[in-house]
Amino acid sequence: QSVLTQPPSVSGTPGQRVTISCSGSSSNIGKYIVSWYQQFPGAAPQLLLYTNNEGPSGVPDRFSGSKSGTSASLAISGLQSQDEGDYYCAAWDDSLNGPVFGGGTKLTVL
Amino acid sequence: QVQLQESGPGLAKPSQTLSLTCTVSGGSISRGHYYWSWVRQPAGKGLEWIGRIFSDGSTNYNPSLMSRLTISLDTSKNQFSLKLTSVSASDTAVYYCARWTGRTFDFWGRGTLVTVSS
Repeated sequence: QSVLTQPPSVSGTPGQRVTISCSGSSSNIGKYIVSWYQQFPGAAPQLLLYTNNEGPSGVPDRFSGSKSGTSASLAISGLQSQDEGDYYCAAWDDSLNGPVFGGGTKLTVL
Repeated sequence: QVQLQESGPGLAKPSQTLSLTCTVSGGSISRGHYYWSWVRQPAGKGLEWIGRIFSDGSTNYNPSLMSRLTISLDTSKNQFSLKLTSVSASDTAVYYCARWTGRTFDFWGRGTLVTVSS
């Protein structure tokens, strides 16, 4: 069971906007920045973005993140078929004294 | 551009030791305020942070693995390594090395599958 809670799956049609939630606690999301990772089948996770929508160059601005209290969310607008994959949130956790991950959300583009 | 590459046996026997090495290129592991980390992912499951090592050799381990885990640094080879003792089937996973900036994992290796089986 993951420390951060994500929905197992979300889906949308091309062009739609979807959001993926990530719920934590005061020892992680409530205190620290949240980062989001995209993972395609058979590949390593890749940093997508983190708080204030900072991230690697080349990430489309269709992806945006937000945080409020002990929850965060990733929004993907203008959904495209190549966005299909798994998405993970992560944050530092004081209890673990290390980073914790969400269980991952599988995005399906219908 | 920093690149990381895991290497090591893809098979370990139960109760034995799993050993992996991560070779870093494009940057020195002894410079900068980065933590060199290991993360694993069982098939079909989520990501689990294993532990990390700083350039000065200080380490942080996941408490659930601490009693079996050693992460070390070889600055002369620009590598860091993982040793996990007394492995069991539950340690079967894809193991990734990654760079933790203090805020994010910004660079990842491609991952290496380790299967624990007799």
